[in-house]
Amino acid sequence: EPEVTQTPSHQVTQMGQEVILRCVPISNHLYFYWYRQILGQKVEFLVSFYNNEISEKSEIFDDQFSVERPDGSNFTLKIRSTKLEDSAMYFCASSTSGQGVSYSFGPGTRLLVL
Amino acid sequence: SQKIEQNSEALNIQEGKTATLTCNYTNYSPAYLQWYRQDPGRGPVFLLLIRENEKEKRKERLKVTFDTTLKQSLFHITASQPADSATYLCALDMSDYKLSFGAGTTVTVRA
Repeated sequence: EPEVTQTPSHQVTQMGQEVILRCVPISNHLYFYWYRQILGQKVEFLVSFYNNEISEKSEIFDDQFSVERPDGSNFTLKIRSTKLEDSAMYFCASSTSGQGVSYSFGPGTRLLVL
Repeated sequence: SQKIEQNSEALNIQEGKTATLTCNYTNYSPAYLQWYRQDPGRGPVFLLLIRENEKEKRKERLKVTFDTTLKQSLFHITASQPADSATYLCALDMSDYKLSFGAGTTVTVRA
């Protein structure tokens, strides 16, 4: 069964550094998402992406965040200048449609900002 | 403001019993509601989706109900097994482009 993959599985960075988290969604999916989960807290929506543009974004997704689909398979999340509070598990997800369908989540990237 | 509340942060049950989890929401009118399973350090895994005009949905030992009047969904795991131990997340499918998750209920099934 096809799966969403994410790299790296773990990333440690210094505050103020840029990080890029990578995802390969399921190939026939059209909608892509990033979520994050701070340790012990709920899964929070960051951004959705469809037809090569952002469809919706949360208040968390400020100017420090950006997403890109640089080619036909990868979907990336960039954090320009990381803060301590960006430490979290970041999940990529994809779906065939925008509503009323299941999401397939990746295994996550654990980001630690020191 | 909009809220999704999953009653009981933790639920401990004996193997073979039925676990019942509750998801309540306010100030939402979701067209769909979904349930996911999350194991420690892993991504959520889809379990069931129910539409607003459906009262009940079943999949193997899982059953979900959706009451739009009460603004509540119940999730049942029948004949529970230790392998069912995980955190279960309720998610509301509000718009075309996102799911909003509850905080989850952690279920521990004792052998």
